[in-house]
Amino acid sequence: QVQLVQSGPELKKPGASVTVSCKASGYTFRSYAISWVRQAPGQGLEWMGWISTYRGNTNYAQKFQGRVTMTTDTSTSTAYMELRGLRSDDTAVYYCAREGVGRWFDPWGQGTLVTVSS
Amino acid sequence: DIQMTQSPSSLSAFVGDTVTISCRASENINKYLNWYQHKPGKAPKLLIYSTSTLQSGVPSRFSGSGSGTDFTLTIDSLQREDSAVYYCHQSYNIPQSFGQGTKLEI
Repeated sequence: QVQLVQSGPELKKPGASVTVSCKASGYTFRSYAISWVRQAPGQGLEWMGWISTYRGNTNYAQKFQGRVTMTTDTSTSTAYMELRGLRSDDTAVYYCAREGVGRWFDPWGQGTLVTVSS
Repeated sequence: DIQMTQSPSSLSAFVGDTVTISCRASENINKYLNWYQHKPGKAPKLLIYSTSTLQSGVPSRFSGSGSGTDFTLTIDSLQREDSAVYYCHQSYNIPQSFGQGTKLEI
């Protein structure tokens, strides 16, 4: 079945960087883009950006421009999201999601909790 | 950027009831409106895409309608397992955006 499996929880200090991975299976990886979405504690869902798994081009939400980099490794069907300069308000669950034809998200990864604390 | 506003922010209902959640976009998004169900500790689940198309495997008691700027998610014959937070999502333009969520308590 179509599945996205993310890497495990992370604890980081302010100013550090974190990389979350998202391994796809059950479909042709290069046929669908991947978006990243986060949810801070008690907050709603926030779209961070998108990467084309076919061409590798990206589009980031302005809020994260300069701090985020999304990449893919097509040989392992894995997408990566690196966030730099972590702050306490980056504490959140980070999700990857496959984009459908109309850019809806299905399925989603199980989520990765990133905690930023000194 | 397109802002998505959901109402209500929370609601309570009983098993067997019908509830409606509204979502308004700050500008025309055609039919690029999707709905997700999110339960604590789980990944969000796609319910409806392109305003009214039911995702495979989703019970038919879920339905969506609307166009342009105003959209609705309707849940008929509520079941206990429908307790969750529901989000609308516009995929018309980048940056994509979500409503703030509607918490449904059964």
